[in-house]
Amino acid sequence: AQSVTQLGSHVSVSEGALVLLRCNYSSSVPPYLFWYVQYPNQGLQLLLKYTSAATLVKGINGFEAEFKKSETSFHLTKPSAHMSDAAEYFCAADNAGGTSYGKLTFGQGTILTVHP
Amino acid sequence: DARVTQTPRHKVTEMGQEVTMRCQPILGHNTVFWYRQTMMQGLELLAYFRNRAPLDDSGMPKDRFSAEMPDATLATLKIQPSEPRDSAVYFCASGLVPQGHTQYFGPGTRLTVL
Repeated sequence: AQSVTQLGSHVSVSEGALVLLRCNYSSSVPPYLFWYVQYPNQGLQLLLKYTSAATLVKGINGFEAEFKKSETSFHLTKPSAHMSDAAEYFCAADNAGGTSYGKLTFGQGTILTVHP
Repeated sequence: DARVTQTPRHKVTEMGQEVTMRCQPILGHNTVFWYRQTMMQGLELLAYFRNRAPLDDSGMPKDRFSAEMPDATLATLKIQPSEPRDSAVYFCASGLVPQGHTQYFGPGTRLTVL
């Protein structure tokens, strides 16, 4: 079964610093991959998604992620953190095919803290 | 701006009471998901539907939870009887498969069972 691992349950950066949130998936078949963001007391909001087109995916709020098949990774980055980026981030995978098509496997989440 | 809506947003109830949570998926979406989020377990998939038919409800405690889609514009999640361990935020999400792979989440129902 597919599994998604987010390395680091908490990441802390200074405002203006690089943000790097790590995600690895387990499937031998490259899945569709997603990053979602959850602000306090809100639902999950899609940041970006990879669906086998370009390996470098750009999303909202200046975030981007790169799909690396050789590393089974889909890490999320942002060159310069802003205070408003403080939230919890979830990586997710959809294996695309069969009856589970559309069902996402989520990582455990990474809480991003941004210091002034 | 199409959104998934959920009602109620907050619910406080006493142990043993029935709880019904409702979700209106985005119009035209054919897949609806119910999730539960807690600090301890994170985000758990409870059940999901495709074209109103249940595809997988293996994540739900069968003896007390039930999920239905009476029509394409309404999904319900019921807990009867409720227990304190059911306290969590319950999210509904909808999507359009196979045309897309994105799940769109509602704002959630925060349930507290005393």
